[in-house]
Amino acid sequence: DTAVSQTPKYLVTQMGNDKSIKCEQNLGHDTMYWYKQDSKKFLKIMFSYNNKELIINETVPNRFSPKSPDKAHLNLHINSLELGDSAVYFCASSRGTGGAATEAFFGQGTRLTVV
Amino acid sequence: AQSVTQLDSQVPVFEEAPVELRCNYSSSVSVYLFWYVQYPNQGLQLLLKYLSGSTLVESINGFEAEFNKSQTSFHLRKPSVHISDTAEYFCAVSDLRAAGNKLTFGGGTRVLVKP
Repeated sequence: DTAVSQTPKYLVTQMGNDKSIKCEQNLGHDTMYWYKQDSKKFLKIMFSYNNKELIINETVPNRFSPKSPDKAHLNLHINSLELGDSAVYFCASSRGTGGAATEAFFGQGTRLTVV
Repeated sequence: AQSVTQLDSQVPVFEEAPVELRCNYSSSVSVYLFWYVQYPNQGLQLLLKYLSGSTLVESINGFEAEFNKSQTSFHLRKPSVHISDTAEYFCAVSDLRAAGNKLTFGGGTRVLVKP
């Protein structure tokens, strides 16, 4: 009964392909996120959704499109993959966006390798 | 924009010795502060957090951090480390003025505990 689960854990694909990463949380949280961790371990937010509504889009290329079918799911679709997209992508969730609700719970990450 | 600086990228330390990981953030306005730990090939786990109240916060496994508003710092300490504390540690800040509960992370500090 993993709190925040992502699939797949590893993804190896060729340049130009389109791929999706799925994320589900069973914590009943209202807010979900995608973070990217590069090869130097630097973590940066990409998107944030609150109750299925996009609230943060951190200057991410249009090739990245998040989709939130419901509060418990936030998927990430990437078109026309490039070598520079290789990274670990983390999904996270939090109860909300204020006070003690700001604590974020992270998934195990998806290591994307573009060859 | 908020920025977080972790002054040490790597900290080698002998088992049972003390360790301090330094974290400074840029904004002096209301923030929430977090330390996350990432064990090899795993996701991020919350170690401890400061939201309000006592400036000294503790975790269940012996870590503590002190919020210093005047120095805009949130240094992490442990008086005696174990081999199992070998991991990457990330300091993160949530700026209460910003929409969406975005976490801004420092670059991480790799702690390597030697026997």
